Amino acid sequence: GENVEQHPSTLSVQEGDSAVIKCTYSDSASNYFPWYKQELGKGPQLIIDIRSNVGEKKDQRIAVTLNKTAKHFSLHITETQPEDSAVYFCAATHWGFNKFYFGSGTKLNVKP
Amino acid sequence: DTGVSQDPRHKITKRGQNVTFRCDPISEHNRLYWYRQTLGQGPEFLTYFQNEAQLEKSRLLSDRFSAERPKGSFSTLEIQRTEQGDSAMYLCASSDAGGTLSGNTIYFGEGSWLTVV
Repeated sequence: GENVEQHPSTLSVQEGDSAVIKCTYSDSASNYFPWYKQELGKGPQLIIDIRSNVGEKKDQRIAVTLNKTAKHFSLHITETQPEDSAVYFCAATHWGFNKFYFGSGTKLNVKP
Repeated sequence: DTGVSQDPRHKITKRGQNVTFRCDPISEHNRLYWYRQTLGQGPEFLTYFQNEAQLEKSRLLSDRFSAERPKGSFSTLEIQRTEQGDSAMYLCASSDAGGTLSGNTIYFGEGSWLTVV
């Protein structure tokens, strides 16, 4: 099955700085890569996703890049704000979407 | 609120008791998933339904676990003879598989926390 690895496990940045979280996947058949934000005591919330037919996608301060050859994808958050503090999970799956494989999460702390 | 709804949000039970969680998916979604999440880990797949049919079960789903989705609407996840190792957050998610281009995205509920003492 698919194996998704996520780094770093914790990330601390100053407000206004950028944050980058990286994930690698093992199954070359995977073609859909969502990112979720999880606040304490809540369920994961989708923040952005990317499909394998594009290399980059941006939504305001958040962007995701995908390198299919290297089998890795990254989340970029610019101009970080304290409310960005949460745990972020990457995931991978392939067409059919019957099973999503998640990374182990990155705890982002944005210091005011 | 038209998101995924889970009940109860928190459950504390004694070891050996049975517990049941309910999930109401987004109304037009035909796929429903159950995941389990322990502290410091990402969600792990347990099972999923396409309408009322349970199409896949993870090896994590032991004989003590059973999930149903009668009539393809809400779903229940029952854990029999609970053990301390069952303590986790049980997440439900739904999607509109085969729908619009963005419809295959899965949307999670707020989760049901289980503590077995």
